[in-house]
Amino acid sequence: DTGVTQSPTHLIKTRGQQVTLRCSPISGHKSVSWYQQVLGQGPQFIFQYYEKEERGRGNFPDRFSARQFPNYSSELNVNALLLGDSALYLCASGPGNKDTEAFFGQGTRLTVV
Amino acid sequence: AQSVTQLDSQVPVFEEAPVELRCNYSSSVSVYLFWYVQYPNQGLQLLLKYLSGSTLVKGINGFEAEFNKSQTSFHLRKPSVHISDTAEYFCAVSPRAGAGTALIFGKGTTLSVSS
Repeated sequence: DTGVTQSPTHLIKTRGQQVTLRCSPISGHKSVSWYQQVLGQGPQFIFQYYEKEERGRGNFPDRFSARQFPNYSSELNVNALLLGDSALYLCASGPGNKDTEAFFGQGTRLTVV
Repeated sequence: AQSVTQLDSQVPVFEEAPVELRCNYSSSVSVYLFWYVQYPNQGLQLLLKYLSGSTLVKGINGFEAEFNKSQTSFHLRKPSVHISDTAEYFCAVSPRAGAGTALIFGKGTTLSVSS
């Protein structure tokens, strides 16, 4: 059984650019959540989508947006990148709308220069 | 709102010694409790979780944790650690009620096991 897959694994962007990160959940999972993990900190919740609807949003600026597709995969978009957006972005998928059964992907390491 | 405090940022131990990683939480609502492990350059792996029932929870790799409601704690323990347990450990909570979910994580504890 394939786990949660995220792409790309690493990328480098310049300040002011835009980036799109992708996540494919485990087959059968309908929930996708996004977390930002800055170096040396715990992950911080950004968004949760369940059945293609936004079910939760963390304390992040409007530069961050996401969506979930009919096949339950998801994209996280970040506009007008800042140096402080450099982090590991983690995607978690689950069968229901609670992350009590969440499985995390390996993450996308974003470096903003 | 919920918050999680991991009381030790770093815990160095020798191989085969016991270890306890401490976690306290604050919440105005009832929560679920979790411990995750993160190896270098990896995502998070669930070690164990407390949803209900027995307050002593057993997880993978020989870890266990005890939920103490009166002290709002969920400390992680292992009676004998291995070199391979060296990793970052995160305690997390999630509200029981309401639509959606957000795992609220602590800042992490680095467990370093040496021979």
